[in-house]
Amino acid sequence: GDSVTQTEGQVTVSESKSLIINCTYSATSIAYPNLFWYVRYPGEGLQLLLKVITAGQKGSSRGFEATYNKETTSFHLQKASVQESDSAVYYCALSDRGGDQGGSAKLIFGEGTKLTVSS
Amino acid sequence: DMKVTQMPRYLIKRMGENVLLECGQDMSHETMYWYRQDPGLGLQLIYISYDVDSNSEGDIPKGYRVSRKKREHFSLILDSAKTNQTSVYFCASSFGTANERLFFGHGTKLSVL
Repeated sequence: GDSVTQTEGQVTVSESKSLIINCTYSATSIAYPNLFWYVRYPGEGLQLLLKVITAGQKGSSRGFEATYNKETTSFHLQKASVQESDSAVYYCALSDRGGDQGGSAKLIFGEGTKLTVSS
Repeated sequence: DMKVTQMPRYLIKRMGENVLLECGQDMSHETMYWYRQDPGLGLQLIYISYDVDSNSEGDIPKGYRVSRKKREHFSLILDSAKTNQTSVYFCASSFGTANERLFFGHGTKLSVL
């Protein structure tokens, strides 16, 4: 079946430093699934951070970027300079939709990576 | 105010007791979901509801049932809870029937002793 792997359960980064959170996926139901990053800020529910539906494209939101790499089946989340307000849990996910067509849009989530930004 | 509300936030039950987790949303979303998350695992889909009385099993439905009698409310029921159902349960909703932008509640931390 389809799966998403985030290798780091927790990451601590100093304020203003760069960040990368790793995500790799395995998709058997569809060749090019849609890919997502969701975020859960303290005291809030998960919310969509960014989405990319085309292989090779980059998505961005709130200073975060992620590029859909079909060769390495990766979708790493990056930010050039983190702030304390970025402290949250980040979840990588995929769905069985290709673009805007087909599939059930059922999401498969990774384990989540807790980011702590220290001042 | 777009919101998904879960009640209660924390719950402790004994093995064999019945458990009711409630979820409400104020966006008139057609589709609602129940997920659970255990330490070291991703969110796992328990049930999806596409509208009132239109429910489908997710990936791990065993031991759970759901009820959706109004579009705004979606309940998760554990009949005779088991210790391995200790988990954090998340409710979510989305507009339409194939929309990948989900709105989540804060979660309910359930401990079954």
